[in-house]
Amino acid sequence: EVQLVQSGAEVKKPGESLKLSCKGSGYSFTSYWIAWVRQMPVKGLEWVGIIYPGDSDTRYSPSFQGQVTISADKSIDTAYLQWNSLKASDTAIYYCARHPKYSSGYRYFDFWGQGALVTVSS
Amino acid sequence: EIVLTQSPGTLSLSPGERATLSCRASQSVSSSYLAWYQQKPGQAPRLLIYGASSRATGIPDRFSGSGSGTDFTLTISRLEPEDFAVYYCQQYGSSPPLYSFGQGTKLEIK
Repeated sequence: EVQLVQSGAEVKKPGESLKLSCKGSGYSFTSYWIAWVRQMPVKGLEWVGIIYPGDSDTRYSPSFQGQVTISADKSIDTAYLQWNSLKASDTAIYYCARHPKYSSGYRYFDFWGQGALVTVSS
Repeated sequence: EIVLTQSPGTLSLSPGERATLSCRASQSVSSSYLAWYQQKPGQAPRLLIYGASSRATGIPDRFSGSGSGTDFTLTISRLEPEDFAVYYCQQYGSSPPLYSFGQGTKLEIK
């Protein structure tokens, strides 16, 4: 069974750092991309970025470029989303999601983590 | 940047009725790059349709997708109580941001 299990909810203060994790299981972790998607309170979905754990090829949305860092450790089948200095506007639920290889010809997110609520407040 | 506009914003229907949800793109989108998701409160999104018309594994055949170019449609033939949720379309394009979602259509019980 394919699963993406994310780290838990976080409460942080502005300026603090944070690293969310997303552990894949039930499939070959290095053969699929992992994306991060933001959902602000009572809002829609926004694509943050995507990484291919096989070679760490990473792409970012311009809205998030320079604001976050996406990485992966293929030795433990885990992807990460990291902030160096959080802002109140980063308050949201963050999902990781699996994406097939680009060579499949399709672009979609087929399995999703349970989401991690990040609250940034002074 | 390709913008996806979903309509209507809210759709009020009764179980057993047919639901038609629209997703319009600001530029042409390859059908292979158009997907639909369902999201229920407190849950992660679930993939319903990929490649504009292919059902994901385990998705009932009352869900169907169609369209091409700039106009895409998700149809639910006969609404079941568990179908009332928010639906999002998503596309992939060659220019940043690579992926974008529509703003969502809320399907509510009438």
